[in-house]
Amino acid sequence: DIVMTQSPDSLAVSLGERATISCKSSYSVLSTASYKNSLVWYQQKPGQPPKLLIYWASTRESGVPDRFSGNGSRTDFTLTISSLQAEDVAVYYCQQHYSFPISFGQGTRLEIK
Amino acid sequence: EVQLVESGGGLVQPGGSLRLSCAVSGFTLSDHCMDWVRQAPGKGLEWVGRSRGKRYDYITQYAASVKGRFTISRDDSKRSLYLQMNSLNTEDTAVYYCVRGAYDTSRPDFWGQGNLVTVSS
Repeated sequence: DIVMTQSPDSLAVSLGERATISCKSSYSVLSTASYKNSLVWYQQKPGQPPKLLIYWASTRESGVPDRFSGNGSRTDFTLTISSLQAEDVAVYYCQQHYSFPISFGQGTRLEIK
Repeated sequence: EVQLVESGGGLVQPGGSLRLSCAVSGFTLSDHCMDWVRQAPGKGLEWVGRSRGKRYDYITQYAASVKGRFTISRDDSKRSLYLQMNSLNTEDTAVYYCVRGAYDTSRPDFWGQGNLVTVSS
């Protein structure tokens, strides 16, 4: 099974500053056939379902502000918010869909400093 | 417009059964794989299982924690996905989401609003 580990567990960043969340997988999620990383990032606010931010590790979902970006390949990935806004306070999850069982990171809680 | 609407949740006693439904609209269900994902109160996300689309003969796969107790099925003509949950225990208490996979890929692209299942005596 692929284990997804996020760091840190929680993060406090000042408004307008950069926030970076790491996600490491215990096995490569890069498909050699498609050369795509099967890695997704979500944002979840209280009482809401997760919102898709990034897929294939670095492709921004339609409608997601361009301050959100995803990078990385194989086992090491990052989600970056270039300039934190108040509405970005949430829990962020990574997910691999490369192999079964599909797995999520434990989540990173992002707050305003 | 794509919509996924879960229903069927509620309070059930330990050892009991419940069937969740996910009514879909705005797309052809048979073209897509569909997942169930759950979230226990105050906890993270846990994948429950998948129903692949028609192209892959509707193969199902499950998390170890629910295998043998939960069954995913679908009725494309009724535009519905189902999760039959048997032998429920308190650890199954969670909000259950149905999740669509993007066309012809496994990547998730759309989530329902979720439905709460509470297992308690």
